[in-house]
Amino acid sequence: GIQVEQSPPDLILQEGANSTLRCNFSDSVNNLQWFHQNPWGQLINLFYIPSGTKQNGRLSATTVATERYSLLYISSSQTTDSGVYFCAVDAAAGNKLTFGGGTRVLVKP
Amino acid sequence: NAGVTQTPKFRILKIGQSMTLQCAQDMNHNYMYWYRQDPGMGLKLIYYSVGAGITDKGEVPNGYNVSRSTTEDFPLRLELAAPSQTSVYFCASSDRLGNYGYTFGSGTRLTVV
Repeated sequence: GIQVEQSPPDLILQEGANSTLRCNFSDSVNNLQWFHQNPWGQLINLFYIPSGTKQNGRLSATTVATERYSLLYISSSQTTDSGVYFCAVDAAAGNKLTFGGGTRVLVKP
Repeated sequence: NAGVTQTPKFRILKIGQSMTLQCAQDMNHNYMYWYRQDPGMGLKLIYYSVGAGITDKGEVPNGYNVSRSTTEDFPLRLELAAPSQTSVYFCASSDRLGNYGYTFGSGTRLTVV
């Protein structure tokens, strides 16, 4: 099956800093999503982005499907950005996502 | 609009017991999924459904069963619970047209002792 690798595994930021999270995948995909899991365990969909660039407030994402990677940018980080960020992909029909191992982000005040 | 509702939120089972995790969505989504998340790990797909009456196995289906009699409900059945099934279980749903973004429930934390 498709492999999804996220880097870095852990990230510590000072409040106000910018950061980039990376997701590499091993095969062509027709679906890629980014999620944030907050410290209480709730999973929130950030982006559905199989290709191209999207922005939502301080967050933006870019997927370069031909080179099999996606990037999530966090600008002017806040303590509420802490948690785990997951990239998930689907290489076939049916919208069945395979998740990466996540990047654990801690934003310090 | 409640989204995806999971019950119970917490449960402790003894080895060999059975239980059903409930999942309901009110967004008229066709696709529904069950994932499990072990500590410090990503999510793994257990079962999924593309519509009422249609279910299929995911990556880790052993020890579980599902049914989908209505669009709204997608219960997950654990038979003969084992310690290896200790995990957090998430239900999710998505539409099949346009934006395929998942909506997750709040999870069920299950401990098998």
